[in-house]
Amino acid sequence: AQSVTQPDIHITVSEGASLELRCNYSYGATPYLFWYVQSPGQGLQLLLKYFSGDTLVQGIKGFEAEFKRSQSSFNLRKPSVHWSDAAEYFCAVGTTGGGNKLTFGTGTQLKVEL
Amino acid sequence: NAGVTQTPKFRILKIGQSMTLQCAQDMNHNYMYWYRQDPGMGLKLIYYSVGAGITDKGEVPNGYNVSRSTTEDFPLRLELAAPSQTSVYFCASSSELENYGYTFGSGTRLTVV
Repeated sequence: AQSVTQPDIHITVSEGASLELRCNYSYGATPYLFWYVQSPGQGLQLLLKYFSGDTLVQGIKGFEAEFKRSQSSFNLRKPSVHWSDAAEYFCAVGTTGGGNKLTFGTGTQLKVEL
Repeated sequence: NAGVTQTPKFRILKIGQSMTLQCAQDMNHNYMYWYRQDPGMGLKLIYYSVGAGITDKGEVPNGYNVSRSTTEDFPLRLELAAPSQTSVYFCASSSELENYGYTFGSGTRLTVV
C-alpha cells in the first residue's frame, strides 16, 4: 500500500526567506504526486502535480517541487515566502487505477514571520 | 462555475442521531470521494465512487454509507452518530481529463455530542 510521510509538523520562516517542505512517499510503481494547500476553514487547493516527464514541476503561487526517485521524495519549494503563504500543506500520492485514490500525508503547518 | 458544493457547513448532532452530508459537483467528473480530516492525522478516505451506481470502501468506512445515483451527487450518510465521528468532512471529485487532480469542497464541520 502507498504511504506518505511529511516529517515536519510545523515550520516557521521569515517573510522573504526561502522555503522547502519535505515529503517522502512509499509506492511500488511510478507514483503520481501532488501538493495541496489548505487555508484555515477552507478546502484543499491543488498547488502542483507530477505524473511523468520533467522531474521539476511548476505550480501556482510561485511554488515548485522536484521528484527524486532515488530518494522517494517530492519536496515543495518556494524561493521567497509571502505572509499569505501561511497555511497547511499536504503531500499526496496516488494511482490512476482503482479509482484514483489519493493517500495524504499528515500535513505541515507553515507560519510566516513578518 | 460552482465546482464541488457541500452542505451543510456546520452541524451538531446528538449521539445516535442520523444525518446526510450532501455533495454535488457540476464538472461532470466521474470520480468522487469522501474524506475526513482530524487534527494531526491528515485526510482519511471514507468512501469513493468511480461512476454513477458504483461505490467502494476506503480506509475508514465504518459508521458511514454512500450512494451515487447520478454523476453529480454523492451523499454521505451517518446512521448512528458517535463522538468518534466528530471531524471535518471533505468531498472531492476528479477525472482523467484533468489529470486526476482533485477539486475539493469547502468542508462540513460535524460535532457529535
